[in-house]
Amino acid sequence: SAVISQKPSRDICQRGTSLTIQCQVDSQVTMMFWYRQQPGQSLTLIATANQGSEATYESGFVIDKFPISRPNLTFSTLTVSNMSPEDSSIYLCSVEVSGASTDTQYFGPGTRLTVL
Amino acid sequence: GQQLNQSPQSMFIQEGEDVSMNCTSSSIFNTWLWYKQDPGEGPVLLIALYKAGELTSNGRLTAQFGITRKDSFLNISASIPSDVGIYFCAGANFGNEKLTFGTGTRLTIIP
Repeated sequence: SAVISQKPSRDICQRGTSLTIQCQVDSQVTMMFWYRQQPGQSLTLIATANQGSEATYESGFVIDKFPISRPNLTFSTLTVSNMSPEDSSIYLCSVEVSGASTDTQYFGPGTRLTVL
Repeated sequence: GQQLNQSPQSMFIQEGEDVSMNCTSSSIFNTWLWYKQDPGEGPVLLIALYKAGELTSNGRLTAQFGITRKDSFLNISASIPSDVGIYFCAGANFGNEKLTFGTGTRLTIIP
């Protein structure tokens, strides 16, 4: 398994501002991901954070709005830019832990964002 | 994006009852994962399934990987108050690390 921490755990922000969320894992991992969970909804993948290269974004998500950094194998950041109330969600990072023939993803505790 | 269909959407049960929920997909997965999410927390992995037909237990929880590889089931026996939460299934294919999540089943225990 993996122990994952996120900062901040929650924040209330004004529209038009940006927030950077940090994700730290206790061991080196190849794959890190960022998800969004809108109120009362399931999880939706935003992007895969690639170490040493640009993140891979899912349909409906763009780099200008959600820039991602992945400077090493234990850390990543997600920025929510030019926020609007529609960005109010829980943002979660996850990491993939690989076995010989199995993959499992573990999640951080999430960052609850409220945009006024 | 695609989501897996989970049913039921919500359940209201009494403590001590058994619980069953399932997850179906229109496409095949070779990995099924079940998570539980408490309010204000991230999803916690409960059970991972990697082989069609596999039946795996974790304490009072039992999950099965459907033979068709398009569905999975989670059972909870003798429910207790701490079982309250939202249960999500997720499917993946080895070599493609993206998880596709189910719509969730909210479990409530009636006092």
